[in-house]
Amino acid sequence: GIQVEQSPPDLILQEGANSTLRCNFSDSVNNLQWFHQNPWGQLINLFYIPSGTKQNGRLSATTVATERYSLLYISSSQTTDSGVYFCALDYGGATNKLIFGTGTLLAVQP
Amino acid sequence: NAGVMQNPRHLVRRRGQEARLRCSPMKGHSHVYWYRQLPEEGLKFMVYLQKENIIDESGMPKERFSAEFPKEGPSILRIQQVVRGDSAAYFCASSRTDNSPLHFGNGTRLTVT
Repeated sequence: GIQVEQSPPDLILQEGANSTLRCNFSDSVNNLQWFHQNPWGQLINLFYIPSGTKQNGRLSATTVATERYSLLYISSSQTTDSGVYFCALDYGGATNKLIFGTGTLLAVQP
Repeated sequence: NAGVMQNPRHLVRRRGQEARLRCSPMKGHSHVYWYRQLPEEGLKFMVYLQKENIIDESGMPKERFSAEFPKEGPSILRIQQVVRGDSAAYFCASSRTDNSPLHFGNGTRLTVT
């Protein structure tokens, strides 16, 4: 089956710093999404991005489907950015039956 | 516009009891998914439903687990005769189509004692 790898597994930043999170996958995808799970356990959809580039405030994401990776950029990080960032991909059926990566645990320190 | 609503937020059951988890999708969303998050396994797909239909239940254990999404009312995930290994966070999610952004509820934390 499709493999999803995220890096780095964990990351500590000072407030105001920038970071790049990476998601590598082993097969072509029709559906790729980034999620943030905050320290209270809530899962927030950040981007639906099977290809191309999108921006939302301090966050942006780029997926290069032909090279099988996606990047999530966080600029001017804030303590509220702390939590786990997951990328998730479809199993090949172009639905929201998704396989999740193991996540990047981000801690932003004041 | 209310998000995905799950209840209860926390549920404690003794071994052998039944657990019922409820989920109301976002307004306008007809595609409902259930995921389970175990500390050592991460988030795993369980089942995909549309109104009155189970589309894909390949991630659900064959025994004791069932799901439904009736014509009226919320989607229900039912776990019969719970065991300690069922302790986990159960998340419901919904989307407008089967290939559009997926939005999660706050989850139900099930603890089996």
